[in-house]
Amino acid sequence: GAGVSQSPRYKVAKRGQDVALRCDPISGHVSLFWYQQALGQGPEFLTYFQNEAQLDKSGLPSDRFFAERPEGSVSTLKIQRTQQEDSAVYLCASSSGQVKGSPLHFGNGTRLTVT
Amino acid sequence: TQLLEQSPQFLSIQEGENLTVYCNSSSVFSSLQWYRQEPGEGPVLLVTVVTGGEVKKLKRLTFQFGDARKDSSLHITAAQPGDTGLYLCAGVDWPGGGADGLTFGKGTHLIIQP
Repeated sequence: GAGVSQSPRYKVAKRGQDVALRCDPISGHVSLFWYQQALGQGPEFLTYFQNEAQLDKSGLPSDRFFAERPEGSVSTLKIQRTQQEDSAVYLCASSSGQVKGSPLHFGNGTRLTVT
Repeated sequence: TQLLEQSPQFLSIQEGENLTVYCNSSSVFSSLQWYRQEPGEGPVLLVTVVTGGEVKKLKRLTFQFGDARKDSSLHITAAQPGDTGLYLCAGVDWPGGGADGLTFGKGTHLIIQP
């Protein structure tokens, strides 16, 4: 596709439910990132993939968060047993370069609200 | 992780005025990127600055990277309502800092009133 696509755009979950957020990166982009953005704040790094390999997951806030990119293309961020503090916009970004600092192309995010 | 502080946090000015927003750190970055984010959308890259002292212009926007590569500024001339948005700076860690390599500031919320 022309850009990074994320689905769903909005998700409301009851506390304790599991959710899965999908990211379709730009075709051919090697690098894929997940960020969490709280209201009025900048994006906070969650995890990074190079092709199908998850090279850095140091930003995942707890073991309830899990991300995968099994074929090196589409990625899914899963949150188990959601809590209210998980409410945020989850942004996915992809990059063509393997060099640190390559410009990121962001999707429009999934807004998760946990009630 | 190296912290990037952006100031001011919020800025509301009238159309036609000039403004400058700042991005500061106590640490050195190998390069720095500026993004603009509009409500309901993801950040969009405006510019990357690499060399200390570098100045880049994008129409009415002027970006400067500090000589020591620890800070940057964005100056907007004759602001227009279309400039409204959240301006984010993002530094590339030097030399390490994790695979992602990008540290984002919390952003400056800019509102240009017609």
